[in-house]
Amino acid sequence: QQQVKQSPQSLIVQKGGISIINCAYENTAFDYFPWYQQFPGKGPALLIAIRPDVSEKKEGRFTISFNKSAKQFSLHIMDSQPGDSATYFCAASGGYQKVTFGIGTKLQVIP
Amino acid sequence: DAGVIQSPRHEVTEMGQEVTLRCKPISGHDYLFWYRQTMMRGLELLIYFNNNVPIDDSGMPEDRFSAKMPNASFSTLKIQPSEPRDSAVYFCASSVTGGVQPQHFGDGTRLSIL
Repeated sequence: QQQVKQSPQSLIVQKGGISIINCAYENTAFDYFPWYQQFPGKGPALLIAIRPDVSEKKEGRFTISFNKSAKQFSLHIMDSQPGDSATYFCAASGGYQKVTFGIGTKLQVIP
Repeated sequence: DAGVIQSPRHEVTEMGQEVTLRCKPISGHDYLFWYRQTMMRGLELLIYFNNNVPIDDSGMPEDRFSAKMPNASFSTLKIQPSEPRDSAVYFCASSVTGGVQPQHFGDGTRLSIL
């Protein structure tokens, strides 16, 4: 049972374009939604996170949009750069340390 | 500051052999997690510890898998006997108590069972 569904699994974007990754969850007890970024040969690292009391959070070129009623959230990468090429994981947590990850999206930004 | 340290980085062994993966969490972190990453299933939580005590091992796939944390600075994940379907990248992560804190991952152990 996949509690956090993530799409697409792969994404190719032109340099300067917008990358969009979508996630949906089922468990209404989730109240913390982080995104992790993973480069080849490395472990995932926290990129940005949001709580459901806000609908949007922006950090530089990265924005999380959150729709509590639809139980969906998404990551937007503005002005995508080749250095953004990585695998991105959405995740969810229910107020404790255990985190459930989406399956991941492999992003490739081409020049 | 040193991050989470995992060893070995790569392990190739034959089916049926015992495999031991090691992890040193970040000093002061009281949570430790073991994950398995595959293309088909993504990142799966296998087990996690709090203050060296296993809290949730529901993700451990079979009795062939076991994990220990004898002290705050060391944990092992053991597979005995290993099978080809255990081939994956295994990650260790640690975090601190205090609301929901980010997990800090090691660089993983790439395990290949022939």
